[in-house]
Amino acid sequence: DSGVTQTPKHLITATGQRVTLRCSPRSGDLSVYWYQQSLDQGLQFLIQYYNGEERAKGNILERFSAQQFPDLHSELNLSSLELGDSALYFCASGGSGNTIYFGEGSWLTVV
Amino acid sequence: SQQGEEDPQALSIQEGENATMNCSYKTSINNLQWYRQNSGRGLVHLILIRSNEREKHSGRLRVTLDTSKKSSSLLITASRAADTASYFCATDARNAGNMLTFGGGTRLMVKP
Repeated sequence: DSGVTQTPKHLITATGQRVTLRCSPRSGDLSVYWYQQSLDQGLQFLIQYYNGEERAKGNILERFSAQQFPDLHSELNLSSLELGDSALYFCASGGSGNTIYFGEGSWLTVV
Repeated sequence: SQQGEEDPQALSIQEGENATMNCSYKTSINNLQWYRQNSGRGLVHLILIRSNEREKHSGRLRVTLDTSKKSSSLLITASRAADTASYFCATDARNAGNMLTFGGGTRLMVKP
């Protein structure tokens, strides 16, 4: 158990819909990272938050957004979903230069 | 583009044999981390090696880092069927905002 908790574990939704993925980082970790894993793109960094503020941005689509709340949990919002958004979405937490721990992921299937 | 590239993409060995996976990357790094992923599951952290370290051990795992060649290797000794998984290297590049960049992974199959 990495200590990073993600919900839901599985989600099936229709194209055009919006979903929210939730993440609770390890106790004491201020940084939260979101990654997308798909068959064709591999593991792609989406976005990082540190203590409530956006720290780094990767290949995140404009239809996607994230935030980190004062209690340090984070949410990844995916809107106007397309079939190609089907993937495993990971949240991770950790500190700069230190081990990054990943959650079990949220499986998103868009039909 | 991916920072790290693993080699080989797939590896099949017998239980008891050693498995070696290699990772190459492109830019200067702060550290390099190896992860294991069982099919469709989460990423399990195996080991972190810093840019000023050359070798690190953890149980049956041995990781080396050659910053001059921008490469790392993961050796699993005395492999077990339970080691069957995908293995990824991830680099924490300097001036990259603390994000990890992953390679494509090596799929390891250990036959009993």
